[in-house]
Amino acid sequence: KQEVTQIPAALSVPEGENLVLNCSFTDSAIYNLQWFRQDPGKGLTSLLLIQSSQREQTSGRLNASLDKSSGRSTLYIAASQPGDSATYLCAVKAAGNKLTFGGGTRVLVKP
Amino acid sequence: EPEVTQTPSHQVTQMGQEVILRCVPISNHLYFYWYRQILGQKVEFLVSFYNNEISEKSEIFDDQFSVERPDGSNFTLKIRSTKLEDSAMYFCASSDEIAGGPREETQYFGPGTRLLVL
Repeated sequence: KQEVTQIPAALSVPEGENLVLNCSFTDSAIYNLQWFRQDPGKGLTSLLLIQSSQREQTSGRLNASLDKSSGRSTLYIAASQPGDSATYLCAVKAAGNKLTFGGGTRVLVKP
Repeated sequence: EPEVTQTPSHQVTQMGQEVILRCVPISNHLYFYWYRQILGQKVEFLVSFYNNEISEKSEIFDDQFSVERPDGSNFTLKIRSTKLEDSAMYFCASSDEIAGGPREETQYFGPGTRLLVL
């Protein structure tokens, strides 16, 4: 059974610092990995999707890497801003079409 | 930009009552999903739906749950007799189909319906 873990559970950084968020999964037979942002009490906003054949995906200040063999992905957010404060979730798609989610990392960027 | 919409945003119901949660997926998408998130817990998969039938469901999705695509735009989740433990945020999602199936495609989520069972 696929298990997805995100460490740390919470992170607080001063504005301008780079953020590094980690995601690990137990079964490396995945089709893709998706990173989401969730604001309190709100829905999930898709940030990046990395195909299983890719090592990296970039969008603006966001960069996500994938090491399928070791079961890890990292989301980097450059030059953090207070508006980046949110919970960040990773989810993997393996057999079937369902996503299996991690527990999230709650990020606070202090001005 | 196309988006998934859900109604209502909040629903309060009494234990044992039936509830129907509604979703309008992105119009050209062919795969539809329901997930839920109990407060403080992980987002959990409930069911996926394609070509007017369930393609996959989790162990949570028991006989009390059903899904339907009653017309060309809506996708509904029905809980027949709600329990206290059904209180959660319910998310609808949709994804497109490409050659070889949807496995590579992004799932787009709606804003959720917060269900409270008293």
